[in-house]
Amino acid sequence: EDQVTQSPEALRLQEGESSSLNCSYTVSGLRGLFWYRQDPGKGPEFLFTLYSAGEEKEKERLKATLTKKESFLHITAPKPEDSATYLCAVVDSWGKLQFGAGTQVVVTP
Amino acid sequence: ETGVTQSPTHLIKTRGQQVTLRCSSQSGHNTVSWYQQALGQGPQFIFQYYREEENGRGNFPPRFSGLQFPNYSSELNVNALELDDSALYLCASSLESSPDTEQFFGPGTRLTVL
Repeated sequence: EDQVTQSPEALRLQEGESSSLNCSYTVSGLRGLFWYRQDPGKGPEFLFTLYSAGEEKEKERLKATLTKKESFLHITAPKPEDSATYLCAVVDSWGKLQFGAGTQVVVTP
Repeated sequence: ETGVTQSPTHLIKTRGQQVTLRCSSQSGHNTVSWYQQALGQGPQFIFQYYREEENGRGNFPPRFSGLQFPNYSSELNVNALELDDSALYLCASSLESSPDTEQFFGPGTRLTVL
C-alpha cells in the first residue's frame, strides 16, 4: 500500500536555527515527489518537484533532497516568515497525488 | 495571469443538504483536481477532470460528483451532507493531466456541516 509519512508533526525553531523535515514514502516506481508550503486557511503553494534519488533543489533558505525511500526539506537560518505547514506528496500507484499529513513549523524571533 | 479561484470562501450547511463548490482554473490549464483537507491532515484526492471528462477518482462515495465546463472551470457537488464532510475543499489546476505535472492550488472553500 502506498504511504507518505512526515516527521516531526510539529517543529518550533528560533530564528536562525537550521533544521530538517523528513518525508518517507512507500510507492512502487516513484514518478515524482512534491513539496508544498501551506499557510493557515490558504491553499498549498508549490515549492519543489524531485524525480530521482540524489536530486537536490534549492529556493532561498529551503533545500530539498531525495533518496530512494525519503526526502528531506532543509531550512537554513529560518526567519519568522518561514512559519507554515510543509506538505510532501508523491505520485501514487494510481497516478494521483498522495499527501502526507504535513509538518507545522513555527519560527520565533 | 489569473491564478486559481474558488467560491464561496466559506459555507455553512446542515446535515442532509446538498452543496455546490466552484473553481476557475488558471489560464491555459485544462485539468482540474479536487481535494478534501480535514483539519490537521494533508489534502486527500477526490477526483480529477481533464477536458470535461472524469480522469481518476479517489476513495470517495458517489455522493461526491463533479463537472468540468468547456472553459475548464469546474464544480464539486456533494449530496446528503454528513458531519464528516466538514473540511477545506481545494481545487488545483494543471497544464496537463500527467500526474507529475505541477498543480496550482486555489485558496479553498471552508465547508462546515452542522
